[in-house]
Amino acid sequence: KAGVTQTPRYLIKTRGQQVTLSCSPISGHRSVSWYQQTPGQGLQFLFEYFSETQRNKGNFPGRFSGRQFSNSRSEMNVSTLELGDSALYLCASSLEGLGTGELFFGEGSRLTVL
Amino acid sequence: SQQGEEDPQALSIQEGENATMNCSYKTSINNLQWYRQNSGRGLVHLILIRSNEREKHSGRLRVTLDTSKKSSSLLITASRAADTASYFCATGQGGKLIFGQGTELSVKP
Repeated sequence: KAGVTQTPRYLIKTRGQQVTLSCSPISGHRSVSWYQQTPGQGLQFLFEYFSETQRNKGNFPGRFSGRQFSNSRSEMNVSTLELGDSALYLCASSLEGLGTGELFFGEGSRLTVL
Repeated sequence: SQQGEEDPQALSIQEGENATMNCSYKTSINNLQWYRQNSGRGLVHLILIRSNEREKHSGRLRVTLDTSKKSSSLLITASRAADTASYFCATGQGGKLIFGQGTELSVKP
């Protein structure tokens, strides 16, 4: 069974640009959640999608958005990038959603904002 | 906001020794999970313990949960250099999974 796939793995953007990250979950998993990881703040929850609906949202500004497609693939978008958005963005999938069972993580997308 | 607080933040031991990491949390939980992360990679699930369980084993891993003290510990026995990684506890409750700040474990050969 293929794991969680995140693309791109690395990207460099400049302030003010926008970025879209993609996540393909494990086949059959309906929940996709996103986390931002930085050395200072650790792992911060962004949002969770379940069967195309946003089920939970973390404490991030509206510049951070996401969506989930009917095949469970998910994208997250960050608009008007700031230097502080430089981070490792991790996507995780699960069968039933957050808090119920284990999460399967992708390798992450490392975003650098210059 | 982070739910779990881990202790110690960093731990350095020799191969063959045991490593113990602790996690404390603030509110009631459905379960507590431990994950491992090698530098700059994705997290890997290690073990899940439910709120009505007190202890769980998986290979060289032993996890305990004390809901009265709102704390958990992860014990890695007979550590290996390959165990060098960051370890995170995560508390599951109300449709959320909140991660602690992690413990950086370094196992020296």
